Amino acid sequence: EAGVTQFPSHSVIEKGQTVTLRCDPISGHDNLYWYRRVMGKEIKFLLHFVKESKQDESGMPNNRFLAERTGGTYSTLKVQPAELEDSGVYFCASSQDFASTQFFGPGTRLTVL
Amino acid sequence: GENVEQHPSTLSVQEGDSAVIKCTYSDSASNYFPWYKQELGKRPQLIIDIRSNVGEKKDQRIAVTLNKTAKHFSLHITETQPEDSAVYFCAASKGSSYKLIFGSGTRLLVRP
Repeated sequence: EAGVTQFPSHSVIEKGQTVTLRCDPISGHDNLYWYRRVMGKEIKFLLHFVKESKQDESGMPNNRFLAERTGGTYSTLKVQPAELEDSGVYFCASSQDFASTQFFGPGTRLTVL
Repeated sequence: GENVEQHPSTLSVQEGDSAVIKCTYSDSASNYFPWYKQELGKRPQLIIDIRSNVGEKKDQRIAVTLNKTAKHFSLHITETQPEDSAVYFCAASKGSSYKLIFGSGTRLLVRP
């Protein structure tokens, strides 16, 4: 069974530019989560999709971040415009249903210069 | 708000010794507590989890204990091996949201 995949693995951009991260969950998993780890701190929740609907977006830091999951399959997280403090590792996770194990992707390391 | 504190931030043990990592959560409604292991450059992987209706769970050399009254849970690794070296994250969630609230991580080093 293929795991959660994320693209790209690394991204280096300049402040003010736009970056789009992609996550492909495990096939059949309706629940998709975005998290990020900044500066070696704890992994923080960003948002949760159930199929194509946003179930909880309480962790989104501001309106520069936009997440979509059209069709309920893969998801994208766009940062526009990027700021220095957005640097970190962005993880995606998926689960079959609400209460089951969340499987993580390898993460996208974003560096904003 | 919801918070999980994790200690220690780093832990160095001799191969064969035991390692214990402790976490405290703030939201008494939390009912699910997973532990993830992240090796260098790899994805976080679930190693064990426990739900609030159980006080202890064991899987070979790994065990987790939960004290709901004190709102803390711990990871115990016995007979540590060099391949146990990694960053370990505890987390908590509750049924209403299922988002994971993570601790800050513990870097475990097992010295051969």
